[in-house]
Amino acid sequence: DGGITQSPKYLFRKEGQNVTLSCEQNLNHDAMYWYRQDPGQGLRLIYYSQIVNDFQKGDIAEGYSVSREKKESFPLTVTSAQKNPTAFYLCASSIRRGPDTDTQYFGPGTRLTVL
Amino acid sequence: AQSVTQLDSHVSVSEGTPVLLRCNYSSSYSPSLFWYVQHPNKGLQLLLKYTSAATLVKGINGFEAEFKKSETSFHLTKPSAHMSDAAEYFCVVTSEEGYQKVTFGTGTKLQVIP
Repeated sequence: DGGITQSPKYLFRKEGQNVTLSCEQNLNHDAMYWYRQDPGQGLRLIYYSQIVNDFQKGDIAEGYSVSREKKESFPLTVTSAQKNPTAFYLCASSIRRGPDTDTQYFGPGTRLTVL
Repeated sequence: AQSVTQLDSHVSVSEGTPVLLRCNYSSSYSPSLFWYVQHPNKGLQLLLKYTSAATLVKGINGFEAEFKKSETSFHLTKPSAHMSDAAEYFCVVTSEEGYQKVTFGTGTKLQVIP
């Protein structure tokens, strides 16, 4: 089955530590996205990548970093510079060409808690 | 500029009664509009999508939404609520503004009372 996987489902981190969240897709999508979700705030875009080896900052990129070395993978690192990292993180992907470029498909999410 | 307003943060209905979740949008471009559903601690699942083919859009699980340009609304409805519909619902607007800009509403939590 095609889809998006995120791991781990739950992650605990001590203050001052960096942590990397995994996102893998086998949908052959070119574009991938990372969102942060906080209660009552909807989703906010952290980073997005339209193509391998290229990515752009979203609305709340400070304290986060990404890489896009492979089409299938778009890992997100939450650095110690992120002041309030406890949140639910969602990865999404979409195609870049054709009539369905505006439709994003989401992974199951990773809940990060900073202790 | 582009924005989405979900008019109710919480909606409570009895099982078997109709569901109405309200969404208003604004966009300078011709938008695409979506409804997604999220069950607790899960990702977002696409319910339905409006592009421009038809103003009444049918989605999965018996949901549908009507695009009303004059009212800039895209309300989600279902004739009869089921317990499994209890979840959070997000209205989303996208448009081409040099790149694909996506804006999420803040969500409406639907409670279904047995």
